[in-house]
Amino acid sequence: ETGVTQSPTHLIKTRGQQVTLRCSSQSGHNTVSWYQQALGQGPQFIFQYYREEENGRGNFPPRFSGLQFPNYSSELNVNALELDDSALYLCASSLKGMETQYFGPGTRLLVL
Amino acid sequence: GENVEQHPSTLSVQEGDSAVIKCTYSDSASNYFPWYKQELGKRPQLIIDIRSNVGEKKDQRIAVTLNKTAKHFSLHITETQPEDSAVYFCAASGVMAGGGADGLTFGKGTHLIIQP
Repeated sequence: ETGVTQSPTHLIKTRGQQVTLRCSSQSGHNTVSWYQQALGQGPQFIFQYYREEENGRGNFPPRFSGLQFPNYSSELNVNALELDDSALYLCASSLKGMETQYFGPGTRLLVL
Repeated sequence: GENVEQHPSTLSVQEGDSAVIKCTYSDSASNYFPWYKQELGKRPQLIIDIRSNVGEKKDQRIAVTLNKTAKHFSLHITETQPEDSAVYFCAASGVMAGGGADGLTFGKGTHLIIQP
């Protein structure tokens, strides 16, 4: 069984740029959720994807968008980066109907 | 939306003693309560979870209790060991209006320090 993987591990961008982060879900899982974890804080829910559609969204602006592919992998896209977007971005995979979510190692994004 | 409060923010206990971390939630519709352990620079790892139809669950040295009426749940770690040192997060989730999945709402975390 393969665990959740994310790429890249680290990324440095400047304000106003755009970024794409990638997540491969654990084998057998069909749902991917994305979270933003600022330093010293708990993860905050961004959105969830199931059957290639957004299935739920937290309190994040539209410049945070996502995709899910037929193989259940997912992307998080952030446009017009702001300094406050600097954080650890975590994805978590689960099986629809089962609440348990398993996290990937995260992508650490620094916006300068 | 859901709001989860977690206390204490830092907890220092002697090796071998017990540790208790408490969380409260605001949304009575929440029905799933996991606990995650996160070591420095690593991913959150699920250590135990409980659903709203259960009052208590135990797994070796770790137990979780849930009081739905009071809307609070607690993590209990007995016989603490140095490898228990980490940040622990509680979380809550339910189902959104319209049936869409609700994401996990996390507390701010408790830094557990095990003193040798």
